[in-house]
Amino acid sequence: NAGVTQTPKFQVLKTGQSMTLQCAQDMNHNSMYWYRQDPGMGLRLIYYSASEGTTDKGEVPNGYNVSRLNKREFSLRLESAAPSQTSVYFCASRWGQGTYGYTFGSGTRLTVV
Amino acid sequence: TQLLEQSPQFLSIQEGENLTVYCNSSSVFSSLQWYRQEPGEGPVLLVTVVTGGEVKKLKRLTFQFGDARKDSSLHITAAQPGDTGLYLCAGYSGGSNYKLTFGKGTLLTVNP
Repeated sequence: NAGVTQTPKFQVLKTGQSMTLQCAQDMNHNSMYWYRQDPGMGLRLIYYSASEGTTDKGEVPNGYNVSRLNKREFSLRLESAAPSQTSVYFCASRWGQGTYGYTFGSGTRLTVV
Repeated sequence: TQLLEQSPQFLSIQEGENLTVYCNSSSVFSSLQWYRQEPGEGPVLLVTVVTGGEVKKLKRLTFQFGDARKDSSLHITAAQPGDTGLYLCAGYSGGSNYKLTFGKGTLLTVNP
């Protein structure tokens, strides 16, 4: 089925370890986004990519880096994980211009111990 | 930073009851969206409202955008257990990047 695919679904890291969260969409969307969701905090934008080859910081970018590898793939990297980065991470892609919406992946639940 | 305040934060009701969820801001938004999220899944778009005063209906769900485009409400008639989930409002304030600002959500539980 067409959509946004995130891997892995679950991950446990030790403090200081690094990892990359993968996201791919097969809907030919230009824009992609990374959000984190924490209890009582809602969804907060980490980074986004308006189009292939461009990336920009969102509301909470510290401790993260991103790569827009091609039009399909947008990865999020944690270079040195911290317990404060324990969260559920969602990738989304945007369809449409005037009439628009986000399609979200099913998320990656990350625990940093 | 534009903020969206949702109320109530939690809502537990019996099947068949009506309910209203609110989304308020001090800022004007070009458009506002409502998403529903089920456990273990990402949010799914329900509706987009664009014009001040606009009302949209989706079966038993009625969405309204305030005249000043600063607030929105979601009304559910005769709630069913299948309506259970986290309801999120998200505002778009303009620009070519289409960044959305999300509220913290209303967790609705409909008991049979």
